[in-house]
Amino acid sequence: DVKVTQSSRYLVKRTGEKVFLECVQDMDHENMFWYRQDPGLGLRLIYFSYDVKMKEKGDIPEGYSVSREKKERFSLILESASTNQTSMYLCASSFKDGYTFGSGTRLTVV
Amino acid sequence: SQQGEEDPQALSIQEGENATMNCSYKTSINNLQWYRQNSGRGLVHLILIRSNEREKHSGRLRVTLDTSKKSSSLLITASRAADTASYFCATPYDSWGKLQFGAGTQVVVTP
Repeated sequence: DVKVTQSSRYLVKRTGEKVFLECVQDMDHENMFWYRQDPGLGLRLIYFSYDVKMKEKGDIPEGYSVSREKKERFSLILESASTNQTSMYLCASSFKDGYTFGSGTRLTVV
Repeated sequence: SQQGEEDPQALSIQEGENATMNCSYKTSINNLQWYRQNSGRGLVHLILIRSNEREKHSGRLRVTLDTSKKSSSLLITASRAADTASYFCATPYDSWGKLQFGAGTQVVVTP
């Protein structure tokens, strides 16, 4: 089975901290995605990567950056965490017929 | 705005009953996908139906697609408590296959 692994299930960080969310997939997929999920707002695309070192902004990239140095790893970086970035973060990689998601990271910024 | 809109927002049924949820979308698509999300977890891909298909089955799941009405339905037959989850439809909106997700239908199956 394809696996997408997110490094943390729960994280608590302080306002202003630099936060790294890691995502690793084991199926050699080229496309990887970061979404955030908030009640009433659904899933919103933050960033997308279609190859190593290639990235594209999604719908809500402000306050975030990404890194894809190796094909299997796609990292989301919160440059200076703020309370409005408290959310569930979901990483996914895509295959021909859909996405495989990780288990999600619930981030709380205090 | 969301490409896919699910209806109803929430559904409560008893074990053994069927659950039906609908998804409407706005633009032309080449496929539509359904995902399940258990509470606090990631989404799981359930099924994909292509624009030239009208119906597809996978186990207890039955998906229909009506491109003339821009709508799809997901039927879960003989539901179980383990089917309690949120269900999302999703449609690709660019050549990379990026997906637009609906707001989801929350299904609760009680024993």
